[in-house]
Amino acid sequence: DTGVSQNPRHKITKRGQNVTFRCDPISEHNRLYWYRQTLGQGPEFLTYFQNEAQLEKSRLLSDRFSAERPKGSFSTLEIQRTEQGDSAMYLCASSLENSDEQYFGPGTRLTVT
Amino acid sequence: AQSVSQHNHHVILSEAASLELGCNYSYGGTVNLFWYVQYPGQHLQLLLKYFSGDPLVKGIKGFEAEFIKSKFSFNLRKPSVQWSDTAEYFCAVNAGNAGNMLTFGGGTRLMVKP
Repeated sequence: DTGVSQNPRHKITKRGQNVTFRCDPISEHNRLYWYRQTLGQGPEFLTYFQNEAQLEKSRLLSDRFSAERPKGSFSTLEIQRTEQGDSAMYLCASSLENSDEQYFGPGTRLTVT
Repeated sequence: AQSVSQHNHHVILSEAASLELGCNYSYGGTVNLFWYVQYPGQHLQLLLKYFSGDPLVKGIKGFEAEFIKSKFSFNLRKPSVQWSDTAEYFCAVNAGNAGNMLTFGGGTRLMVKP
């Protein structure tokens, strides 16, 4: 499968714990996006990378959230000191630099208990 | 900041009925418009998109959408739905920003009864 992959697919954690998610984009795509989707809502933009540079961050991305894309390939999204309000589906998407078409992964569903 | 509204949260139709899902956006400048679909258990995938030119765009699986600039709308249509169209549909806008970040509507869940 050459699409966007995300791991893990599901994560259950206790409040206060740290979690990290991984996204592997389509191999030739140099743009990578993170979105968050809560129940009954559409995805909301969190941040995006062009190659290894993080170029935009939403105000939704509090200081407990950090994202990296160290080699311009896969990316990680870490949430520190998780809160119940962090429970959501975290979606990753990738695209070519000059394309508006984003390809989405299956998401990581986070449940904070 | 731009926003996207989808007024119908749930739609139930019988097979062969016609479909129209509403989408309105708020942004005064140039926009690129998208409809994404998420079938049960699957990823979000692009259904169709509008950048410029003919305001009536055709996508996959017989879907089409019409951009009406004066109404800030981009409604999705299909003349005759099938059971396999059961899915959640999201309208999205890219307001010409450098990173092509998308702003999504809240989604419309469509159920087609066989």
